[in-house]
Amino acid sequence: AQSVTQLDSHVSVSEGTPVLLRCNYSSSYSPSLFWYVQHPNKGLQLLLKYTSAATLVKGINGFEAEFKKSETSFHLTKPSAHMSDAAEYFCVVSDRSGTYKYIFGTGTRLKVLA
Amino acid sequence: ETGVTQTPRHLVMGMTNKKSLKCEQHLGHNAMYWYKQSAKKPLELMFVYSLEERVENNSVPSRFSPECPNSSHLFLHLHTLQPEDSALYLCASSQDLGTGVIPLHFGNGTRLTVT
Repeated sequence: AQSVTQLDSHVSVSEGTPVLLRCNYSSSYSPSLFWYVQHPNKGLQLLLKYTSAATLVKGINGFEAEFKKSETSFHLTKPSAHMSDAAEYFCVVSDRSGTYKYIFGTGTRLKVLA
Repeated sequence: ETGVTQTPRHLVMGMTNKKSLKCEQHLGHNAMYWYKQSAKKPLELMFVYSLEERVENNSVPSRFSPECPNSSHLFLHLHTLQPEDSALYLCASSQDLGTGVIPLHFGNGTRLTVT
């Protein structure tokens, strides 16, 4: 069985400071992991994905995430927050055993303060 | 036009109405999905189609009826809905089905309000 936990429902940072959004997962198989972002009144947009290649994954808009198997974590980071980063972020896990079932976290709302 | 397009963007309907949500993807993908997004809940998978064949009906009430006439179009027919069905309904597509490594591409959703 798979599950994903986003440890913070809300995160506030000042513009120009680092962003850390935390995600822990559980999976019986080798997982694929994704981060999506959702701006108000929009659908979900893929930020980055991990599918068993490099453990440090770079995505769009300066975001990156590191897959840590020993900690079952896939935290999302960005060195310097921008006002346009304010949105909701979703961590998603899927196994690679042939399923199409993507398990979504409950989301982390990021607020960026001027 | 590219990506995944959903219409209408907003829909208000009474409990006795019948309406349909439409999704169209211009990505040449073979799989399409309906998800329900409610406040403070994870996304809920409703239906999955692969090459126009339904492969998943995730215990969804019969008042929701999907239709996939071809690999580019997906509909969700609604009738006699309940207020708790009010939510954002998201359509997604993926290149293929079944490997779990392929990302989903989402539309902007239809915000449904049932009065």
